[in-house]
Amino acid sequence: KNQVEQSPQSLIILEGKNCTLQCNYTVSPFSNLRWYKQDTGRGPVSLTIMTFSENTKSNGRYTATLDADTKQSSLHITASQLSDSASYICVVSENAGNMLTFGGGTRLMVKP
Amino acid sequence: NAGVTQTPKFQVLKTGQSMTLQCAQDMNHEYMSWYRQDPGMGLRLIHYSVGAGITDQGEVPNGYNVSRSTTEDFPLRLLSAAPSQTSVYFCASSHSGQGRVQPQHFGDGTRLSIL
Repeated sequence: KNQVEQSPQSLIILEGKNCTLQCNYTVSPFSNLRWYKQDTGRGPVSLTIMTFSENTKSNGRYTATLDADTKQSSLHITASQLSDSASYICVVSENAGNMLTFGGGTRLMVKP
Repeated sequence: NAGVTQTPKFQVLKTGQSMTLQCAQDMNHEYMSWYRQDPGMGLRLIHYSVGAGITDQGEVPNGYNVSRSTTEDFPLRLLSAAPSQTSVYFCASSHSGQGRVQPQHFGDGTRLSIL
């Protein structure tokens, strides 16, 4: 069964600090991996999407990495801001994108 | 540009009632989909559509119907509400080439409680 595991489940950091969120998956055959940010009470917003051949992709202070050999991805947030407080969801797509597997998310809280 | 618009934002129903959750997008996206999000669980796909007149079932379709008469609209119907359908429902859309059910833009959700 395809699975996407995210860690940690929750994280508290101080404003200005960096953090890294992890996503491990067993989805096969792999098509692409997307990271979403979901603010409380809002729908998810796409941050990055990576295909098999991409190792890293940035979106402002967000940098996602992908190791397709070990089936691991990370989302690194640099110089965190209070507005980064949200849930971050990793989603992995099977070949041709016909099926998606969602991770349970990491809830990040940035404190002043 | 409104993106994906969902109505209503909140709804309380009694067991056995029926209702329709509305979803509209103004980006001319071919693909639209419905998800439910429950505490402690990832988003789960209910139904999706790859274009007007074409719909298909996702992971958890039982108890829900959809139709796609236009590119813009993709309503989700609860036939006979049950407490297990208490959840937050998200509608999503994307262009072709993103994968058949790869969501690109989400609405802000409908929070549904079934008593």
